Amino acid sequence: DIQMTQSPSTLSASVGDRVTITCRASQSISSWLAWYQQKPGKAPKLLIYKSSSLESGVPSRFSGSGSGTEFTLTISSLQPDDFATYYCLQYDRYWTFGQGTKVEIK
Amino acid sequence: EVQLLESGGGLVQPGGSLGLSCAASGFPFSTYAMTWVRQAPGKGLEWVSTISSSGGNTYYADSVKGRFTISRDTSKNTLFLQMNSLRAEDTAVYYCAKILAAAGTGRYYFDSWGQGALVTVSS
Repeated sequence: DIQMTQSPSTLSASVGDRVTITCRASQSISSWLAWYQQKPGKAPKLLIYKSSSLESGVPSRFSGSGSGTEFTLTISSLQPDDFATYYCLQYDRYWTFGQGTKVEIK
Repeated sequence: EVQLLESGGGLVQPGGSLGLSCAASGFPFSTYAMTWVRQAPGKGLEWVSTISSSGGNTYYADSVKGRFTISRDTSKNTLFLQMNSLRAEDTAVYYCAKILAAAGTGRYYFDSWGQGALVTVSS
């Protein structure tokens, strides 16, 4: 099974900050990685697929990068609506989520 | 607009059974694989099960294999999850999601999600 390790688990930041979240795979998954945003009581929302492809309608301040075993999600300038929990998902072999990163207000 | 609406959640005793449904609309249901993902209270997301567009192929997480059954009814645009031998650790919000294929690659990710149905396993 492919394990996904996401870090940090919690991140405190201010509006306007540049934020980076990392996801590491236990084996190479090429670029088969997606990122989701989830707010309390809501369903996850797709942000990024295939490591760096922005889903339609997602603001351009979100970007993804990486391949193989290491991936990052970057929010270039944190906005009030971005305080949420973020998950990575590998879909190279079956599906495995990272543990999540909660982005909270500093 | 894609809409996915789960139903059937509730309280069930350990060892009991429960069935979830997910009514789909806004897309050609018969041409998309579908999946169930769950989230225990205060915890992260866990993939549960996936079914191909035809229904001919099904996949399960080890944690539910042999206890849960995924199925679909194309005529009713509905996805199902039959859960048997339920355990306390199955307590979670269960989401259905539509699967999008990365064309020609055999790789599939989840794009649209329902709002979820809460299943509580407790005596």
